[in-house]
Amino acid sequence: NAGVTQTPKFQVLKTGQSMTLQCAQDMNHEYMSWYRQDPGMGLRLIHYSVGAGITDQGEVPNGYNVSRSTTEDFPLRLLSAAPSQTSVYFCASSYNAGGETQYFGPGTRLLVL
Amino acid sequence: GESVGLHLPTLSVQEGDNSIINCAYSNSASDYFIWYKQESGKGPQFIIDIRSNMDKRQGQRVTVLLNKTVKHLSLQIAATQPGDSAVYFCAENTPPTGRRALTFGSGTRLQVQP
Repeated sequence: NAGVTQTPKFQVLKTGQSMTLQCAQDMNHEYMSWYRQDPGMGLRLIHYSVGAGITDQGEVPNGYNVSRSTTEDFPLRLLSAAPSQTSVYFCASSYNAGGETQYFGPGTRLLVL
Repeated sequence: GESVGLHLPTLSVQEGDNSIINCAYSNSASDYFIWYKQESGKGPQFIIDIRSNMDKRQGQRVTVLLNKTVKHLSLQIAATQPGDSAVYFCAENTPPTGRRALTFGSGTRLQVQP
């Protein structure tokens, strides 16, 4: 199994541009989530999904959209990038949301100019 | 809001010594706790977990202790090695009351001196 994969690894955007961060897992996990990590801070939840077709907001959802059309994929979309969205983004998955261990991808480093 | 926090931002130890990383949590309803290790440029990696019905759990060279009375969690690493150098995060899971995700602390950097 590849586990949780994320693309791209690094991206530079200009303010106002849009992009999609890709996340995929091959472990047949129902639960997937997106976190952002800023310097000196822990991970903060952006959006999560408890199964295909179901998504919900986390702690810091503003400026981000998600969809879950398949069990494997959970893309994160930035419709109009802002410098405040400069961060490292991690996707995670787990078998379910009931306190099970979450497995993280390698991250996408995003710089918004 | 409720949060998970850490006492020390940086911990420096000698190779071979034991390391103890501490974490305080404030949500008494949390029932599951995880320690993650994050190396530079990588995603968090699961180390060990513990449920609230336990006080102690041991893994390979690592032990997690949970003190629910004072809402304190610790990670003990035996015979610390240079490869243990990383940032360590504690995380808590609170039973579904609208949120189904982990709450992370801000992390402790462990530096192992050769």
